[in-house]
Amino acid sequence: ETAVFQTPNYHVTQVGNEVSFNCKQTLGHDTMYWYKQDSKKLLKIMFSYNNKQLIVNETVPRRFSPQSSDKAHLNLRIKSVEPEDSAVYLCASSFRGWDAEQFFGPGTRLTVL
Amino acid sequence: GQQVQQSPPASLVLQEGENAELQCTYSTTLNSMQWFYQRPGGRLVSLLYSPSWAEQRGGRLTSSAASNESRSSLHISSSQITDSGTYLCAMERSNYNVLYFGSGTKLTVEP
Repeated sequence: ETAVFQTPNYHVTQVGNEVSFNCKQTLGHDTMYWYKQDSKKLLKIMFSYNNKQLIVNETVPRRFSPQSSDKAHLNLRIKSVEPEDSAVYLCASSFRGWDAEQFFGPGTRLTVL
Repeated sequence: GQQVQQSPPASLVLQEGENAELQCTYSTTLNSMQWFYQRPGGRLVSLLYSPSWAEQRGGRLTSSAASNESRSSLHISSSQITDSGTYLCAMERSNYNVLYFGSGTKLTVEP
């Protein structure tokens, strides 16, 4: 199956803990993204990687750090989570350049107590 | 400020069989646009991607766009209950293919 996969589906944690989310795409794309969807369903870009290289960082707090081992994987680590980090984190992938339709994973819902 | 404005804002209620038009306007020059659909708790599904500014999909969903007006429309004809969900438009304006999203329109189709 070719798609974008994310784990875990849900994660509940307490303020100050560290969490990690995984994303893998089997679409052969060279660019991956992390978006944050808040409680009002607003979607905002966080990071973009092209061939393991960070190319976009949209004013994200330093406790967020993306990690890419190869162009098919992009993980997200959050050190010391805050209550405002509660959201759905969506991973996406595309080709870089002209034909850049993006495909999304199912998301990871983070709840910070 | 918000770079992508979506209308109708927030929500739209239709009777089954009615047509709808959703619109997005952008505050800057775009490279491409993309329309998405999302059910509550569901995955974001790509409905339409248009680097060339005009495309038609299926028999009930069509999109028109005017790059010189920075505007895109999604037309839903003969709406069905299963069309209910949130529709989001997104624009790509940089060389990095990043998407900037509208706030979404929640469509409810009633019998």
